[in-house]
Amino acid sequence: IAGITQAPTSQILAAGRRMTLRCTQDMRHNAMYWYRQDLGLGLRLIHYSNTAGTTGKGEVPDGYSVSRANTDDFPLTLASAVPSQTSVYFCASSPSPTGAYNEQFFGPGTRLTVL
Amino acid sequence: GQNIDQPTEMTATEGAIVQINCTYQTSGFNGLFWYQQHAGEAPTFLSYNVLDGLEEKGRFSSFLSRSKGYSYLLLKELQMKDSASYLCAVSDSNYQLIWGAGTKLIIKP
Repeated sequence: IAGITQAPTSQILAAGRRMTLRCTQDMRHNAMYWYRQDLGLGLRLIHYSNTAGTTGKGEVPDGYSVSRANTDDFPLTLASAVPSQTSVYFCASSPSPTGAYNEQFFGPGTRLTVL
Repeated sequence: GQNIDQPTEMTATEGAIVQINCTYQTSGFNGLFWYQQHAGEAPTFLSYNVLDGLEEKGRFSSFLSRSKGYSYLLLKELQMKDSASYLCAVSDSNYQLIWGAGTKLIIKP
């Protein structure tokens, strides 16, 4: 693995189903993030984790949950999917959550369609 | 509220120069990032400014004026591969990135 991987690449999901999007990084970055990207809108932060064992809510957390059991993995769970959660989901990481230069590195994204 | 504004779309000619503007209003400021995103791909880092002035990196330059809440990305000697969306993002007082909606740049031969 080099960088950040996400799985699945794409998924079609029936409304009401539970779904977990996976994200793994091998850069030993402390901070990780989940964004959604919708047409005409900027990337919106769903949840973040500044270090393993901690998580926080972003701008649009409702309907989503995350966990950070270790440094490398940061799964995002939709407990009961709704059509408004149709989006492209990006996982990102950065070496540090703070500091003057916290460049974020992005995974390839998961395209999720909820019907 | 926090706000990042950038033009929705711009068109330029191969070999020319284009300037993409970004204005921001955020709670705190810990730097401004520019990312490039090709269609269907992930954003990739282009530049970072935290002090006023111009940062040059090859064909790309980025400028920041903190007092005006303004930045621009300058792309020189445009190539067809520069056709992409360019995202402006500001690191706020909590070091969270606030993102603009992006500027889609179309390059014509």
